[in-house]
Amino acid sequence: DAGITQSPRHKVTETGTPVTLRCHQTENHRYMYWYRQDPGHGLRLIHYSYGVKDTDKGEVSDGYSVSRSKTEDFLLTLESATSSQTSVYFCAISEASGDYNEQFFGPGTRLTVL
Amino acid sequence: DAKTTQPPSMDCAEGRAANLPCNHSTISGNEYVYWYRQIHSQGPQYIIHGLKNNETNEMASLIITEDRKSSTLILPHATLRDTAVYYCIVKPPYNTDKLIFGTGTRLQVFP
Repeated sequence: DAGITQSPRHKVTETGTPVTLRCHQTENHRYMYWYRQDPGHGLRLIHYSYGVKDTDKGEVSDGYSVSRSKTEDFLLTLESATSSQTSVYFCAISEASGDYNEQFFGPGTRLTVL
Repeated sequence: DAKTTQPPSMDCAEGRAANLPCNHSTISGNEYVYWYRQIHSQGPQYIIHGLKNNETNEMASLIITEDRKSSTLILPHATLRDTAVYYCIVKPPYNTDKLIFGTGTRLQVFP
């Protein structure tokens, strides 16, 4: 299995509080992604990174920010958590080679915003 | 929006082949077909991908029609551990392009 860890694995927080989720990889892959998954939906991309300090928005980026100061770490921050951000968050990594772009996913973080 | 259509659910008997269809009628000439699966609440797992030729690996086979408007993922001898949600995804061959997941097919393998 690809070396991807997410922390915390579970978190309960209150509306209006800041929350930071961490994704850590040991594979030295260039690309990192944050997805969220809600009942009735597949995974939806929040933000992604294509290198240190290089990030871009995905399809559901409102209310989220990211940072990547080191190759191995990709942080997702909810500046002021809302109940609509209750979800399971997955981090993924990839090292695209030519046309091939397999993404490896972490175990997920279950976030509950009360 | 996802550019694929899959049946919401399918059943398969253990030991039999599971054939999961996917419609991607608007696929572009340079877009690949990827398949991932998600077992219970784990992160998705890559299965296979292809452009126009049929592909096979240790997990599955991918059959893409000649017009590339549909494909079928084949698990040749399904086991209970293959029970999962299977996602068919089309993606251009650009490194930064994201995976756009639909709602997938929930495959239930029964004894």
